Amino acid sequence: DGGITQSPKYLFRKEGQNVTLSCEQNLNHDAMYWYRQDPGQGLRLIYYSQIVNDFQKGDIAEGYSVSREKKESFPLTVTSAQKNPTAFYLCASSLITGSGANVLTFGAGSRLTVL
Amino acid sequence: AQRVTQPEKLLSVFKGAPVELKCNYSYSGSPELFWYVQYSRQRLQLLLRHISRESIKGFTADLNKGETSFHLKKPFAQEEDSAMYYCALKSGSARQLTFGSGTQLTVLP
Repeated sequence: DGGITQSPKYLFRKEGQNVTLSCEQNLNHDAMYWYRQDPGQGLRLIYYSQIVNDFQKGDIAEGYSVSREKKESFPLTVTSAQKNPTAFYLCASSLITGSGANVLTFGAGSRLTVL
Repeated sequence: AQRVTQPEKLLSVFKGAPVELKCNYSYSGSPELFWYVQYSRQRLQLLLRHISRESIKGFTADLNKGETSFHLKKPFAQEEDSAMYYCALKSGSARQLTFGSGTQLTVLP
């Protein structure tokens, strides 16, 4: 395995706690993304970032926060404000070309369970 | 706003039978479409993209702008094709993809 590393693979959280999921890439990709994968709903975009120190909300950003202090890293914090946080979270990265995002490379995912 | 619809959540076919996974999109401009696949215990990965006009693992997909479809086809399904398949749309200069809800394909022996 190489390219994108997500950790932890499994995470349990009590209600009311914030948790941070790590995503690191060594592909020198410009853009990074966080998706949430739920059965029957496909992948929904939470946040994405095209360059360091800049990021944009996706379709379901409420209750989540991100940072992009380094090109290689794009951690996702699931806050206590997220009403239904139990899910599988996927991080991805891509190059950015003149026509927009290129092909996505995905991490192995992190499964968060709220107890 | 762009939207991707995969009407079948589950699809089962027998080995050797043809398979078609449906994907419809809504976008008024010039779309770029992809199929991603996730095999059991593996990462989500690109299967093919319409601009490449290629066949990967025997799969093909043709963009039909009139019907706004990008169906994935294979003439003879194999058991190793069993996986979750996602259709995705990149609209214009968008920096992100919009994914469909996915179709779980099971190829029976």
